[in-house]
Order: sequence, then C-alpha cells, then structure tokens
Amino acid sequence: NAGVMQNPRHLVRRRGQEARLRCSPMKGHSHVYWYRQLPEEGLKFMVYLQKENIIDESGMPKERFSAEFPKEGPSILRIQQVVRGDSAAYFCASSPPDTVGTQYFGPGTRLLVL
Amino acid sequence: AQSVSQHNHHVILSEAASLELGCNYSYGGTVNLFWYVQYPGQHLQLLLKYFSGDPLVKGIKGFEAEFIKSKFSFNLRKPSVQWSDTAEYFCAVSVSGGYNKLIFGAGTRLAVHP
Repeated sequence: NAGVMQNPRHLVRRRGQEARLRCSPMKGHSHVYWYRQLPEEGLKFMVYLQKENIIDESGMPKERFSAEFPKEGPSILRIQQVVRGDSAAYFCASSPPDTVGTQYFGPGTRLLVL
Repeated sequence: AQSVSQHNHHVILSEAASLELGCNYSYGGTVNLFWYVQYPGQHLQLLLKYFSGDPLVKGIKGFEAEFIKSKFSFNLRKPSVQWSDTAEYFCAVSVSGGYNKLIFGAGTRLAVHP
C-alpha cells in the first residue's frame, strides 16, 4: 500500500510565477490536509478537503492560494504570483473516512522562490 | 484558539540517556494528542497517539507519552535514547469531533551523540 505521494519534491520558481503542488492520498483515504512549514517553525494547517469539497480553509491566505481535490486525480495546492515569503515546505496528509483518523504525511514539496 | 507549546527547541543527549520532551496545549475541551517524528531528510511519521482510555500510551521504537489532563500536558519519554533517535519531534493536537486538523507545536530538535 503506497503512502501519501507528493510531487514535485523540490520546486523553484521566480517571483510572480505560479506554483502547483500535487498530493495523491493513500488508497482508501478520502480526506486531504495541507500544511505549511516555514523555516524554523512547526507545521501550520492550511486547508482540509474531501473529494470535490473544501471543508475548512481557515488557514489559507486570503489571496493567491487555492486548493482543490477533484473527483479524479490528486489534490492540488496552487499558489499564484509567488513571492519570496512563500518559500517553505508544503506537506500533504491524508486520513481515512472516519471522524477520528490518524493523518499520514507525504514527503513534502520544498518550494523555493527566487 | 488552540495552541501547542513545546518547551525545548533543542535538546542534546548522549546515548543511553533518558529523554523527556514537554508538550502543553491550550484548549478546554476534549482533544486527541499526537507525537510525530521527522528524521533528517524524511517525512513526518507517527510515533504515538492518544484518543481516549489509558493515559499512558506506548508508541513505536520504545517511546511513550502520558496524558495528564489537569496539566494539559502530553510529554514524550524514552528511557534510553540511541543515536538513531536524532530527529525533530512534533507534538500535535486535534479537537475531538472537529475536522481533525492538527495544531502543531514548533518542534524539538534532538541530537544524540554516541
């Protein structure tokens, strides 16, 4: 059973470009969470999605950031017009469809904005 | 708002020393508690979790943690550390009955010297 997969593992963008981060949850998991880890800080919750629905986006910046989890395919975290402050590690986690699920993390995508 | 505090940001130990990492959270209701570990270059892995029942939980690799409700604490312990325990350790909580989003502490970097 493959774990949570994220790609790319490393992404370099120039200021103003778009970044697309992909997350494929574990088989049978229908809940996806995105977290951001800034240098020297812990992980911060961004958004929680179920298939085709955003359930909680209270941690998402109001502008430039969006997330989706379509019926088919991976979850996508999209950052438009990236700025240097977006440089961070972005982790995706998935959990099974129950109310008290352990989250399983992917290896993360390290975004560097030049 | 919920928050998690990890008291020690950096801990240095010699092999065979005992380990205790502090974790306190602020939330008045029922929580689920987790310790995750991130080995160098790897993704987060679950060490142990507490949902209910016996407040002393045992995890992988000889780790254990005790939930003390009156102190809002969930400290991680290991009687004798090994060099391979060198990693960053994160305490996290989620609100029971909520969306399961994890609130992380800032992490504790443990270095174990042979």
